[in-house]
Amino acid sequence: ELKVEQNPLFLSMQEGKNYTIYCNYSTTSDRLYWYRQDPGKSLESLFVLLSNGAVKQEGRLMASLDTKARLSTLHITAAVHDLSATYFCAVATSMDSNYQLIWGAGTKLIIKP
Amino acid sequence: DGGITQSPKYLFRKEGQNVTLSCEQNLNHDAMYWYRQDPGQGLRLIYYSQIVNDFQKGDIAEGYSVSREKKESFPLTVTSAQKNPTAFYLCASTFWGGGNQPQHFGDGTRLSIL
Repeated sequence: ELKVEQNPLFLSMQEGKNYTIYCNYSTTSDRLYWYRQDPGKSLESLFVLLSNGAVKQEGRLMASLDTKARLSTLHITAAVHDLSATYFCAVATSMDSNYQLIWGAGTKLIIKP
Repeated sequence: DGGITQSPKYLFRKEGQNVTLSCEQNLNHDAMYWYRQDPGQGLRLIYYSQIVNDFQKGDIAEGYSVSREKKESFPLTVTSAQKNPTAFYLCASTFWGGGNQPQHFGDGTRLSIL
């Protein structure tokens, strides 16, 4: 059974600091997704990581994937208040031709001015 | 503009009542999904559908039912058998197999018990 663990689950940080959110998963997968959710809102896709060593960047966010270590990271550079949200990683599983995403519990990020 | 429309935004259910949540997409996606999100939790899969007239149970299908009569539509019924229905329900869609396409989400329906 594929399990996805995120840590930390809660992070409070000051503006201007750097930090990393980790996403570990338990079995082989070649696709990993990062999403953002604002309070009371739906989910917004941030990154799609499809291969070992994949790195994608958008503004102050950078995501990477190490399929051998079964680890993805979401790095925040020089955080700003607008990045406060809950961030989810999701890993694709395609057993028996059925495609599903298995979701981490989310990391609630609060960035203080 | 293409997207996923969920309605209603808020829904209240009485004891013993079935309620239906609507999900419509105009993205020409093959696959559609229903998720449940409880406060402070991640997403749990209720049902998904790859093609019209076919759907599969997810991890928490008990007390829910779905239909897929049209490619664009995937309604979810929360039956009276679901004893704890209060949650945020999210509908998503994507091209089957995923590939480099993420799942796209609607704005959600918040269901509460009266």
